[in-house]
Amino acid sequence: NAGVTQTPKFRILKIGQSMTLQCTQDMNHNYMYWYRQDPGMGLKLIYYSVGAGITDKGEVPNGYNVSRSTTEDFPLRLELAAPSQTSVYFCASSGSTITYEQYFGPGTRLTVT
Amino acid sequence: GNSVTQMEGPVTLSEEAFLTINCTYTATGYPSLFWYVQYPGEGLQLLLKATKADDKGSNKGFEATYRKETTSFHLEKGSVQVSDSAVYFCALSEAGRRALTFGSGTRLQVQP
Repeated sequence: NAGVTQTPKFRILKIGQSMTLQCTQDMNHNYMYWYRQDPGMGLKLIYYSVGAGITDKGEVPNGYNVSRSTTEDFPLRLELAAPSQTSVYFCASSGSTITYEQYFGPGTRLTVT
Repeated sequence: GNSVTQMEGPVTLSEEAFLTINCTYTATGYPSLFWYVQYPGEGLQLLLKATKADDKGSNKGFEATYRKETTSFHLEKGSVQVSDSAVYFCALSEAGRRALTFGSGTRLQVQP
């Protein structure tokens, strides 16, 4: 019972490099989300998806891109990494329930130097 | 827009002390309310939830009551343990908008 898995756990990027953060869920959830958590702050929504082929921007989408080709996977792409993108990134998913509770992955800690 | 305000931490308590972490919210509709907990080095886990006014969510000895008149959802526990040391996040989701709005989190440190 894996739930939501994320890779990698840690990554250091140089300014201007690109990378993809992977997220997979095995709960057959339609809804998936990407959040970032800056030190001492709550989580802010980057992008979300309501199903395969459908994505939309959240609160802080600049500098990121997403795609959703399958129900299970929701990768987050960072293009031209900047120090402001140093953060912990969490992927989450939720099913079609009235309460919209979300299930989170363990996070990816990214440092851009 | 929606917002969640939590008391600032850290909150430091001795084992078996009573815990209250305050949470108030602003929302245009009738949101569902949640408390999530984040243990060191881990992702967020749902602790408890409430979906309508006067509902009480409870789990693992923690409780919170959805108070529409005061727009609050305070987290309480009668007797904390060292293992409760974590960061606690209050959050809301509004009907028709599935993404969660989080508070900034409150770090709880319980000393033996």
